[in-house]
Amino acid sequence: DTEVTQTPKHLVMGMTNKKSLKCEQHMGHRAMYWYKQKAKKPPELMFVYSYEKLSINESVPSRFSPECPNSSLLNLHLHALQPEDSALYLCASSQGWIIAGGSSYNEQFFGPGTRLTVL
Amino acid sequence: DAKTTQPNSMESNEEEPVHLPCNHSTISGTDYIHWYRQLPSQGPEYVIHGLTSNVNNRMASLAIAEDRKSSTLILHRATLRDAAVYYCILRVEYGNKLVFGAGTILRVKS
Repeated sequence: DTEVTQTPKHLVMGMTNKKSLKCEQHMGHRAMYWYKQKAKKPPELMFVYSYEKLSINESVPSRFSPECPNSSLLNLHLHALQPEDSALYLCASSQGWIIAGGSSYNEQFFGPGTRLTVL
Repeated sequence: DAKTTQPNSMESNEEEPVHLPCNHSTISGTDYIHWYRQLPSQGPEYVIHGLTSNVNNRMASLAIAEDRKSSTLILHRATLRDAAVYYCILRVEYGNKLVFGAGTILRVKS
């Protein structure tokens, strides 16, 4: 199974709502990521979890709260979002640091994303 | 993070080879060159990566200049399914972080 799944596919929420995005992988990967992608722009890294610990936070506002309950699951809790937070939220996973044949690689597998609209 | 420069868009005919260039003049010795692509309505997917030598896999080839200041992703026979945004990304060895640039929109004509 080389798939990263994300739920829901679409989410519409008001600025006072609390919602969560979910990401799951069963490839045994120990690094998981959240990216944000605005329309016609490249993905921007938000958070990186490595072995279930937060290792990178790209100065993301606190209204976005990541959680990694176990090595297969990654959540993004949303609270008091603004309309400008409307975007495609992508989850990715990777094995971590692997040495193979003298070179290292860390291919990231991406999910299809959750399209978030904040009203 | 070292920067990459790619053309905004390119067009190719189906069944013909496509050469997608990427400039990375500030590349450091520990930067790997990665290519990802994003098909419409999908998340990005890994294409290929390399350090110094040219690389081939089932999807594409990566040609790296001798001074490593530029590279070219080669799709040997473009199909309509190859129409996507192609991102050239530099990443340090053992690094988790992918910093996407603007990418090249590849259009494939039948």
